[in-house]
Amino acid sequence: EAGVVQSPRYKIIEKKQPVAFWCNPISGHNTLYWYRQNLGQGPELLIRYENEEAVDDSQLPKDRFSAERLKGVDSTLKIQPAELGDSAVYLCASSPGGAAGELFFGEGSRLTVL
Amino acid sequence: AQSVAQPEDQVNVAEGNPLTVKCTYSVSGNPYLFWYVQYPNRGLQFLLKYITGDNLVKGSYGFEAEFNKSQTSFHLKKPSALVSDSALYFCAVRALYSSASKIIFGSGTRLSIRP
Repeated sequence: EAGVVQSPRYKIIEKKQPVAFWCNPISGHNTLYWYRQNLGQGPELLIRYENEEAVDDSQLPKDRFSAERLKGVDSTLKIQPAELGDSAVYLCASSPGGAAGELFFGEGSRLTVL
Repeated sequence: AQSVAQPEDQVNVAEGNPLTVKCTYSVSGNPYLFWYVQYPNRGLQFLLKYITGDNLVKGSYGFEAEFNKSQTSFHLKKPSALVSDSALYFCAVRALYSSASKIIFGSGTRLSIRP
């Protein structure tokens, strides 16, 4: 069974440029998460989807971040414009649903903003 | 509000010795508790979870964790450490019966096993 796939793995951009990250969850997983992980810290939730509905986006900086999950499968996270402080690893995770289910993480997309 | 604390930034253990990585939590009601491991330049991998039942939970790679409700702790343990256990370990908590609640991760503990 294929795991959660993310791309790109690494991205270097200059500040004020846009960037987008893509995630393909495990087949059949209805719940999809985007987390941001700063160096030496734990992941922090940006947004959670149940199918195509964003059910928790309270931590998403909506002035510059946007996300979508069309058709309830793949998801894209966009930053426009990027700031220096956005440098981090962006992790996508999926789960079958339910509060007891563990999360399955992708390998992450490391963003460096110069 | 939910929170989880990992009081040790780093734990150093000699190979073959037992290891413990500490985690305490705060949540309204009963918790779901998780441990994840992260190897360099990789995503997090699930190790084990406590939902209900036996307080001692066994997971992958010989790890286990003990849920202690009175101390609100969920420490990760392994009887005999391996060099390959060296990684970053995260504890996470979620409120029971609340699918709307977030999964909150701790700040992580770096485990270093010396040969």
